[in-house]
Amino acid sequence: SSVLAQPPSVSVAPGKTATITCGRENIGREHVHWYQQRPGQAPVLVLFSDSDRPSGIPERFSGSNSGNTATLTISRVEAGDEADYYCQVWHSTNDPVIFGGGTRLTVL
Amino acid sequence: QLMESGGGLVKPGGSLRLSCEVSGFTFSDYYMAWIRQAPGKGLEWLSYISLGGGNTQYADSLKGRITISRVNANNTLFLQMSRLRADDSAVYYCARGRDVSWFDIWGPGTPVTVSS
Repeated sequence: SSVLAQPPSVSVAPGKTATITCGRENIGREHVHWYQQRPGQAPVLVLFSDSDRPSGIPERFSGSNSGNTATLTISRVEAGDEADYYCQVWHSTNDPVIFGGGTRLTVL
Repeated sequence: QLMESGGGLVKPGGSLRLSCEVSGFTFSDYYMAWIRQAPGKGLEWLSYISLGGGNTQYADSLKGRITISRVNANNTLFLQMSRLRADDSAVYYCARGRDVSWFDIWGPGTPVTVSS
């Protein structure tokens, strides 16, 4: 499938853990990348290659990828984490770059 | 470090050329890409171009209507769009590619509105 399935929304209380999933058959065989997009801003890379953090991204952001699901986990959620989150893969086909539909993270 | 320009209002059927000026890194060392986002929608990859410009790829949905190019001497990436339609209205981002896999730096985007 060329679709990356993300839940449209996730809500979490401050200080708790948010989990955002990205599903596709055998996604565990691919590298998954995650972007954060705050309202009115450009996307920012928060994880690459499943679980690596670019410099400047807090350790609170972590990731995993296995089987049919990749997961972005945000620990000790803060108000500033409220944003849309997109997963992305790059595979060797005619349309190599796929983004998930995005998940709106709301901090209660 | 990435700054898009060239967006604006264009009539259906018209053409537009977007530019992305790069600074702060060696432009010729990186793949580059264009990605867009329609109002209230998600991210849509459009195209990428290799370091020297010899390898390009396009999203199937836009193939034939867009052309990506780069001038390494001027640190500039381009996207030529033609036969524009209302559903091409979006914010267009340029982004730096890494390992032919992810995008680690994005510009702020330039908005394109296709309307009569």
